[in-house]
Amino acid sequence: KNEVEQSPQNLTAQEGEFITINCSYSVGISALHWLQQHPGGGIVSLFMLSSGKKKHGRLIATINIQEKHSSLHITASHPRDSAVYICAVGGSQGNLIFGKGTKLSVKP
Amino acid sequence: DTGVSQDPRHKITKRGQNVTFRCDPISEHNRLYWYRQTLGQGPEFLTYFQNEAQLEKSRLLSDRFSAERPKGSFSTLEIQRTEQGDSAMYLCASSLGFVGGRTDTQYFGPGTRLTVL
Repeated sequence: KNEVEQSPQNLTAQEGEFITINCSYSVGISALHWLQQHPGGGIVSLFMLSSGKKKHGRLIATINIQEKHSSLHITASHPRDSAVYICAVGGSQGNLIFGKGTKLSVKP
Repeated sequence: DTGVSQDPRHKITKRGQNVTFRCDPISEHNRLYWYRQTLGQGPEFLTYFQNEAQLEKSRLLSDRFSAERPKGSFSTLEIQRTEQGDSAMYLCASSLGFVGGRTDTQYFGPGTRLTVL
C-alpha cells in the first residue's frame, strides 16, 4: 500500500463545477503539500498545511490530522485548471513523499 | 518560472552512455532535492543536500547514480552506464530549509526528460 493515496486518479468536469480531490496518508507527517503539474512537467506548490484550512483564490485545502486525510477543492472550475494535482507529505528529513496524482480535465 | 533552472531540458542517449544533469536552485536556498518521475506516477525522492552536504540517499539511487553540490550552489546528477529503465523525468527542487521540524515549500525546476534508447 502506498504511503500517500489519492482519489480519484482521473476526473473530468464541466466548466463551473465544484471539484474535490482527496488524499489519505499512512505515515506521520510534518506538513502536507498540494502541488500542480502541467503538461511538460513543471510543478508548482499550491499549499503547504499542517492543520485546518487554507484558501487561495478559487482553491481551498483542508486537512484532518486525526483522520490522516486532506482535500483540495476548486470552486467555479475553469479549463485552465486542467492539470495533474499531486498530494505530498513531508518526510522526517524534509523530503516529500508523493501520491500518484489526480489528472483533472475541465471541459468548456 | 519558479527560479529553479535545469539543464538540459531533454536528453536522448544510448544505453551504456553516461549522462550529467545540472540544477541551479534559488540562490538563498540551503536545501536541494532530486526526484525522479516516470510516466503516470508521482515523483520519487532520490537524494537531497543541505548546503554542500549530501544528507540522505534513497535506495532508488543505485551505485550508477552520483550527485554533487560542490559549493552549496548548483548541483549535478550523473548517471553512469545508463539503462532503459533510467528513462524518466528528473526533477530538482530547492527550499530554504527544514524549519522547526517541518518541510518548507519546495520550488521545482522544469525537469530534465531522459530517454535511454
